Formats: sequence, C-alpha cells, structure tokens
Amino acid sequence: QQPVQSPQAVILREGEDAVINCSSSKALYSVHWYRQKHGEAPVFLMILLKGGEQKGHDKISASFNEKKQQSSLYLTASQLSYSGTYFCGTVPVGEGGKLIFGQGTELSVKP
Amino acid sequence: DGGITQSPKYLFRKEGQNVTLSCEQNLNHDAMYWYRQDPGQGLRLIYYSQIVNDFQKGDIAEGYSVSREKKESFPLTVTSAQKNPTAFYLCASSIPWREATNEQFFGPGTRLTVL
Repeated sequence: QQPVQSPQAVILREGEDAVINCSSSKALYSVHWYRQKHGEAPVFLMILLKGGEQKGHDKISASFNEKKQQSSLYLTASQLSYSGTYFCGTVPVGEGGKLIFGQGTELSVKP
Repeated sequence: DGGITQSPKYLFRKEGQNVTLSCEQNLNHDAMYWYRQDPGQGLRLIYYSQIVNDFQKGDIAEGYSVSREKKESFPLTVTSAQKNPTAFYLCASSIPWREATNEQFFGPGTRLTVL
C-alpha cells in the first residue's frame, strides 16, 4: 500500500523552513527520500534505516519513527534550488525490499 | 561518466502499436527497474530485475513486457494490451535491492504519448 505524504503542496519564501511527512500503514525496514524537478529524473536525498542508520547528503536532515511507521524530511533555510517534488519511498518489512513511493509533495520556494 | 540513459526522450505512437523503450546503464549495477509516473500518483513499479536473465512483475505489469539479456540493458515494451499507456516512464538501477539500503539511480525518462 502506498505511503501517504503531507502536505501535498507547500509554498515558501527563501530562508523559511518546511517539514514533509511520510506515513505508512506497514512496519518498515527503511524509508528513502528523493527530489524531482519538473520533467527530470528523481535524485536521491537520503535513506533512513530501521535501527537508526542514515545514508545521504549532509545538508539534508530527516527522522524515522519505526514504531509509528513515519518519517519526516526537514528543509531548513530553504533556497530557490529546493523547489521540486519530494517523494518518500517505503520498504515494508518482509516484502523483499521493494520500494513503494508516495504520491509526492510539491515544494515551491519563492524569492 | 557513469549513468543511465533512456531513449528516446519523447515518443509518439498510434493506439494499438507496440513500442519499446530503451534503458542502458554503465554503473555496473545488477538491479534495474521500470517505473511509470502519472500526475499526482508518484512512481509505480512496472517490472524489476535483480540479475541477468531474471525479472519479476511489479505492481502494474499488465500490458508491459521486459527482457534482461545483458547486465547493462533493460528494455521495456509497452504492448497494445496496455489500456492507458500515455505516461512518463523512468528506468532506475541500484546495487542489488534485497538489502534495500542502497539508493536507486534514475535515468532522464521517456515521455510516451499514444495518439
């Protein structure tokens, strides 16, 4: 089942902060985050693993609450380049590692 | 430079015709994937392959077929049985996915329009 992302869209001014949430109804092994610019390929941001390990870019922060099957992506001091659609991908426990993407959160950063 | 290439970028076909989308990678990844993207629905998995000569259906495989004869290549055929083929198709690859601890690298995508 597809994870649910919130909000669906958000508009920021440069320098403002935002939080994007991802929630699953299943126990998760890991959560992946990607950003996609319009018409381009998604780009990897971060992986959060059960047990607390994280892999990703230094300037991106995120959290993973295993008990609640939820993850949040924190965007601080936003820049114009942060604009795009953010997708979380969840890997449910016991399903062979298949990545299931959420519907996306569209982020627009204005000057 | 290592990466994934997809061709063509835009593809137009008449209804009822089969069409094959190309995906090539030189990252030496064993695992490859095909996703379909429609507006507001995120990415949905069509087929995936963890090793040469082996592939499995994803969540929306009906009307699609794939082959994996070489490690570098994973072409997707959209058949006439696919009822609504107009979409943005993305190919990706990764180090074998069972561990789910490695990121997927995506190609630039092919936008297919069926007239």
